Amino acid sequence: AQKITQTQPGMFVQEKEAVTLDCTYDTSDPSYGLFWYKQPSSGEMIFLIYQGSYDQQNATEGRYSLNFQKARKSANLVISASQLGDSAMYFCAMRDGSGGYQKVTFGTGTKLQVIP
Amino acid sequence: DVKVTQSSRYLVKRTGEKVFLECVQDMDHENMFWYRQDPGLGLRLIYFSYDVKMKEKGDIPEGYSVSREKKERFSLILESASTNQTSMYLCASSLSSSGFQETQYFGPGTRLLVL
Repeated sequence: AQKITQTQPGMFVQEKEAVTLDCTYDTSDPSYGLFWYKQPSSGEMIFLIYQGSYDQQNATEGRYSLNFQKARKSANLVISASQLGDSAMYFCAMRDGSGGYQKVTFGTGTKLQVIP
Repeated sequence: DVKVTQSSRYLVKRTGEKVFLECVQDMDHENMFWYRQDPGLGLRLIYFSYDVKMKEKGDIPEGYSVSREKKERFSLILESASTNQTSMYLCASSLSSSGFQETQYFGPGTRLLVL
């Protein structure tokens, strides 16, 4: 069964507007961590934000915030005030206890394009 | 800053060739990983290593092997390259397996084309 689902293959957003990238996950472990990475056209994966399953508050890092809804098993990334440099692939990922702590499972990604 | 480097950004090989992809990290990380990335499939784990000379299979190890003789270096080997191994290969490292929050740091990737 797919553990991370990103249902939006591609999205457009106007510059300076906010955008939400969807991510749902599946795990039976009570303890897990959720990540978002950005991959520009250059190829390097850049860590954006982390949310732990026991964290009471939604994680925020600058213009990035993670809308964590545990009961719904969703971990959507919100980018506020989009910039042209935000155009990239975005990957949601999860680490849980299965397969050892080292393994991280990635979604299929969402390609975001910011329009001037 | 953590630096993960990969030996080549682009590589073209012929079917049947032996291919070496090298990855080096400079932050004394315990764990190192090799992923392949294909459109519509995301990143899939090939192999990872949690210590020198230690390795574990990921989700798609068939057709690949790895070597970790030194802590900072993790090599991916395609014993006999095939066209279905044409892909983007990403190396990553992380400090330890001490918790769920441990971030993986990625190299720039190698785009491999097998003809």
